Amino acid sequence: AQKITQTQPGMFVQEKEAVTLDCTYDTSDQSYGLFWYKQPSSGEMIFLIYQGSYDEQNATEGRYSLNFQKARKSANLVISASQLGDSAMYFCAMRGVRGSNYKLTFGKGTLLTVNP
Amino acid sequence: GAGVSQTPSNKVTEKGKYVELRCDPISGHTALYWYRQSLGQGPEFLIYFQGTGAADDSGLPNDRFFAVRPEGSVSTLKIQRTERGDSAVYLCASSILAGETQYFGPGTRLLVL
Repeated sequence: AQKITQTQPGMFVQEKEAVTLDCTYDTSDQSYGLFWYKQPSSGEMIFLIYQGSYDEQNATEGRYSLNFQKARKSANLVISASQLGDSAMYFCAMRGVRGSNYKLTFGKGTLLTVNP
Repeated sequence: GAGVSQTPSNKVTEKGKYVELRCDPISGHTALYWYRQSLGQGPEFLIYFQGTGAADDSGLPNDRFFAVRPEGSVSTLKIQRTERGDSAVYLCASSILAGETQYFGPGTRLLVL
């Protein structure tokens, strides 16, 4: 079974500052994928970034980067230069790489508030 | 291009009624997923289709829930004899191939009175 833990129910950050959202995971699979999604108040889940378990480099997508520490089973999201539009719920998710494991397992999320 | 669409966006029904929720995936995406998100929680997996067939329905909570994808594109999630505990946001996602990145629709907010 796969499990995602997000220990920060809420985070605050000043506009233009960087913020790190924590995610730890548990799995018995050797190969897996890790995702971060953003969910604004409108409700749609927006894909942000992906990290494969065998990727040697940390993933980056614009202002988003994933701090992947495999030995610690952590996959923290770093948002640089926060903007007011970054205020939303953020979910970490994991996916296996074999047939029935293609489903995503999500954490409970972190509510990020960006202050002007 | 067009993303995943879901209809209706909101549905209010009475306990015991039947509801159908529709998902139209991104064109060309072969895999389609349904998730349910209760208030204050992350989405939970319900069922996954590869083409027309349900490849994994292990997340369906009981036999009141059923989903189809008859032509390998649009999918319908069907809930019989709705209960108040079924109230949630039902999210649909699709991916170009199974195992690739999933892209979500805006969800259907179901309220069972």
